[in-house]
Amino acid sequence: EPEVTQTPSHQVTQMGQEVILRCVPISNHLYFYWYRQILGQKVEFLVSFYNNEISEKSEIFDDQFSVERPDGSNFTLKIRSTKLEDSAMYFCASTQQGYEQYFGPGTRLTVT
Amino acid sequence: GENVEQHPSTLSVQEGDSAVIKCTYSDSASNYFPWYKQELGKRPQLIIDIRSNVGEKKDQRIAVTLNKTAKHFSLHITETQPEDSAVYFCAANLTGTASKLTFGTGTRLQVTL
Repeated sequence: EPEVTQTPSHQVTQMGQEVILRCVPISNHLYFYWYRQILGQKVEFLVSFYNNEISEKSEIFDDQFSVERPDGSNFTLKIRSTKLEDSAMYFCASTQQGYEQYFGPGTRLTVT
Repeated sequence: GENVEQHPSTLSVQEGDSAVIKCTYSDSASNYFPWYKQELGKRPQLIIDIRSNVGEKKDQRIAVTLNKTAKHFSLHITETQPEDSAVYFCAANLTGTASKLTFGTGTRLQVTL
């Protein structure tokens, strides 16, 4: 059964550094998402992406964040200048028609 | 925007008993309500969902009910087993636009022997 994959599983970075989190959505899916989950808290929406453009973004997704689909398979989240409060688990998700969203295994981002 | 409330935050049941988790949502336009199970350190896993044109859906030991008038939906797990122990999240969204999921705050279910 196809699954969403994400790399790396764990990223440690210093405050102010740039990080890129990578996702490979399920191949026939058309809609892509990034969510984050601070330890012990609920999953929060960051951004949705369809037809090579952002569909919706939350107030968390400020100018420090960007997303890209550089080729037919990868979907990336870039944080330009990381802050301590960016430490969280970042999940990529995808869906074919807008109903069932399937999540990747997550990237744990630790900002020191 | 949409707001989803979830109760209880923790739930402990004995193996074989039933568990019920309840959620309410604020946006009457929401029309899709999935439930996710998240084991420690793992991804949220979609276990069941319901659309607004249906009042109840069942899949083996799990069922979901929806009351659109009250803006309320619930997850029912019967004959609980130790492997049901996890955090369960409800969510809501507006479909048709493939919009974001708004999650509840989660329920930690512990099934004891």
